[in-house]
Amino acid sequence: AQSVTQLDSQVPVFEEAPVELRCNYSSSVSVYLFWYVQYPNQGLQLLLKYLSGSTLVKGINGFEAEFNKSQTSFHLRKPSVHISDTAEYFCAVRRGSARQLTFGSGTQLTVLP
Amino acid sequence: DVKVTQSSRYLVKRTGEKVFLECVQDMDHENMFWYRQDPGLGLRLIYFSYDVKMKEKGDIPEGYSVSREKKERFSLILESASTNQTSMYLCASSLPSGPNEQFFGPGTRLTVL
Repeated sequence: AQSVTQLDSQVPVFEEAPVELRCNYSSSVSVYLFWYVQYPNQGLQLLLKYLSGSTLVKGINGFEAEFNKSQTSFHLRKPSVHISDTAEYFCAVRRGSARQLTFGSGTQLTVLP
Repeated sequence: DVKVTQSSRYLVKRTGEKVFLECVQDMDHENMFWYRQDPGLGLRLIYFSYDVKMKEKGDIPEGYSVSREKKERFSLILESASTNQTSMYLCASSLPSGPNEQFFGPGTRLTVL
């Protein structure tokens, strides 16, 4: 069975600082990788996804993620965060043949002024 | 744009009541999903459906049932609500397996008293 580990449940960071949210998954087979963001009292919105090809994936709102097959990681980064980036972030994995996603437990990013 | 709507944003019910949560998507997606979201646990899959009248159990199906009579509509049913079912419920839809992401509704926050 797939599992997804988000290593940090809470990440506080000052505005304009860089941030990295970590995600590791367990699988040796072909997978698709996703990062979602959830703003307060809203559903999840797709930030970016890795399907194949270049290991560096760019998403919305200036976020990017790097796929590292050898370390089975898909960390999310942003070089300079804004107050409006305060939200919960979820990493998710889909095995190539599966219909469903497996989600991590989420990381609450809080951007401080 | 894909749109996934849920019948209620907030719902308060009493223990033992039968509860229906409705989800509708407008993009002709084959797959539909119901998750519950609890702090520190991320999203956990309750049930999903890959076609009309077809359903599969997810990770936590106990105490829930589902119905999919039409392609665009997927209902989650709590036959006899209990206080431990107080949670945020999220519906999602997607195209069949592969690199296709899931699109989420805004969620229903259910409180069972």
